[in-house]
Amino acid sequence: AQSVTQPDIHITVSEGASLELRCNYSYGATPYLFWYVQSPGQGLQLLLKYFSGDTLVQGIKGFEAEFKRSQSSFNLRKPSVHWSDAAEYFCASRGSTLGRLYFGRGTQLTVWP
Amino acid sequence: NAGVTQTPKFRVLKTGQSMTLLCAQDMNHEYMYWYRQDPGMGLRLIHYSVGEGTTAKGEVPDGYNVSRLKKQNFLLGLESAAPSQTSVYFCASSYRDTQPEAFFGQGTRLTVV
Repeated sequence: AQSVTQPDIHITVSEGASLELRCNYSYGATPYLFWYVQSPGQGLQLLLKYFSGDTLVQGIKGFEAEFKRSQSSFNLRKPSVHWSDAAEYFCASRGSTLGRLYFGRGTQLTVWP
Repeated sequence: NAGVTQTPKFRVLKTGQSMTLLCAQDMNHEYMYWYRQDPGMGLRLIHYSVGEGTTAKGEVPDGYNVSRLKKQNFLLGLESAAPSQTSVYFCASSYRDTQPEAFFGQGTRLTVV
């Protein structure tokens, strides 16, 4: 069955440090891949997406993600984290089933001042 | 544009009561979804719709019903609420296959006592 795995439940980084959040997907063909961010009490906001083409995609708020087919991964990165980046991050994929999205369980990011 | 609007934002139900959650989108999207979010579980798909008059089951459909009588609205019903349905419910919509990124509402926090 199709699935999305986020191995890290909680990550803590210092402000100004670099960040990488991991995401692995299980799907034979190239899926549509997304990263969403959720601030407390809010809905999910799309950070970036990958459909095809260049495997390094840029998103909002200075985030980027790299699609690696050989590793079935779509990791999210940011060179320098700001305190306002503290939130929960969700990786998602849409595969073969029309209209259906699959979400990982999320990674909670804490940023130390 | 309002985007995706959920009504109500908060609700407390007694066990056995019924209620309907309303989702409205003004983006002319074909696909609509209902998810529930529980701590440590990420988002789980309850039901979804790929067009007016169509609905399909997701991962956790038991105890819920849905209807999509109008393209812009997607209703989620709980016929007999149970404490296990205490959760935050999110509605989302997406345009179609060629633009599959989902846009989310702000959520409905439901407590069943």
